[in-house]
Amino acid sequence: AQTVTQSQPEMSVQEAETVTLSCTYDTSESDYYLFWYKQPPSRQMILVIRQEAYKQQNATENRFSVNFQKAAKSFSLKISDSQLGDAAMYFCALIEGGDDKIIFGKGTRLHILP
Amino acid sequence: DTEVTQTPKHLVMGMTNKKSLKCEQHMGHRAMYWYKQKAKKPPELMFVYSYEKLSINESVPSRFSPECPNSSLLNLHLHALQPEDSALYLCASSPWGRMNTEAFFGQGTRLTVV
Repeated sequence: AQTVTQSQPEMSVQEAETVTLSCTYDTSESDYYLFWYKQPPSRQMILVIRQEAYKQQNATENRFSVNFQKAAKSFSLKISDSQLGDAAMYFCALIEGGDDKIIFGKGTRLHILP
Repeated sequence: DTEVTQTPKHLVMGMTNKKSLKCEQHMGHRAMYWYKQKAKKPPELMFVYSYEKLSINESVPSRFSPECPNSSLLNLHLHALQPEDSALYLCASSPWGRMNTEAFFGQGTRLTVV
């Protein structure tokens, strides 16, 4: 069965510093997609970044980048130059290629210290 | 317009009430989803509609009844709920019925059953 594990329930980082959120996953499929979603206090789930398993290049979106280690089944999120608006719950998620279900990790709550 | 709009934002209902949650998107997306999210937990999939047909029901109790009147609108009818059904209910949509493309979430309806 597919699983997504986020081992850090909470993290804190100083404003303008860099932080890395960890995620490991397990799937028997070769076709799958990985995501990081952000859920701020406003409650809306916002897609931060997306990675196709068949792509070797790590995805980046402005200050957000991932370290995708396919063999190790690891998918960490790096946030550079942290800003107060980055404070939120971050969910790592997995979809197997032919499926309609997102498998979410338990989430990491990120605090930004001014 | 890249929004998924959910109404109402908050709802308090008694166990004998009947109420409905509404979700609307005008992005031309052909798949729409209902998720339930308890506090400090990841979202859990309830239903998926693909091209206006129910494609996934995650063994949700019959007191929750989804409806997709057209490709832009998704409703969740509630009847005889229990206090443990209190949660944040999130709606989402995606372009081609696959969440592996970008999915958009609404801000949710905070439901309290008394």
